[in-house]
Amino acid sequence: DVKVTQSSRYLVKRTGEKVFLECVQDMDHENMFWYRQDPGLGLRLIYFSYDVKMKEKGDIPEGYSVSREKKERFSLILESASTNQTSMYLCASSAPLGGEHPYEQYFGPGTRLTVT
Amino acid sequence: AQKITQTQPGMFVQEKEAVTLDCTYDTSDPSYGLFWYKQPSSGEMIFLIYQGSYDQQNATEGRYSLNFQKARKSANLVISASQLGDSAMYFCAMRELNQGGKLIFGQGTELSVKP
Repeated sequence: DVKVTQSSRYLVKRTGEKVFLECVQDMDHENMFWYRQDPGLGLRLIYFSYDVKMKEKGDIPEGYSVSREKKERFSLILESASTNQTSMYLCASSAPLGGEHPYEQYFGPGTRLTVT
Repeated sequence: AQKITQTQPGMFVQEKEAVTLDCTYDTSDPSYGLFWYKQPSSGEMIFLIYQGSYDQQNATEGRYSLNFQKARKSANLVISASQLGDSAMYFCAMRELNQGGKLIFGQGTELSVKP
């Protein structure tokens, strides 16, 4: 069974703080993704990675960076948190043949981040 | 341009009745995949059903079926015999062949099942 874990379910940070959100998957998936979810907007892709040390910008990368030093771990970094980054953050992983369906994404439980 | 559109922000259904959640998509890629995910209030995303663009038959998984109308570019989710536990957000998503592993998600539909 694929398991994707995220370091925190709930997080409260102050404006200007540097924030790290960690994601770990245990199924040797090549692909990993970070999304943010806001009401009425669905899931929007922030960054993704197809391999170790590789990253690509998604649709809304501004204000975020990522790190993938090991295949199983993908970190999202908010360099200087702002109130408009208050959101639900979801991590996912996938592989071309990693599930029952090609590129099926497996999600972590989410981190609800509040920036005050 | 919106590639995945879910036009129903919220829907109600009576317990034990069937309900259809709409999803339309836009792609010029002949090879693509369509996914539906469920997100209960706990927040986790649960995979429900998948339809490949070349699949001849509509996908079914238990009480879930996907009404795939390729020419109309629609991939509606049908839930039969609704249960209270079906109350959740539902997301439609698409993967295009030339986009590798990326999924594009719709805005979601919040389904409420009434007893």
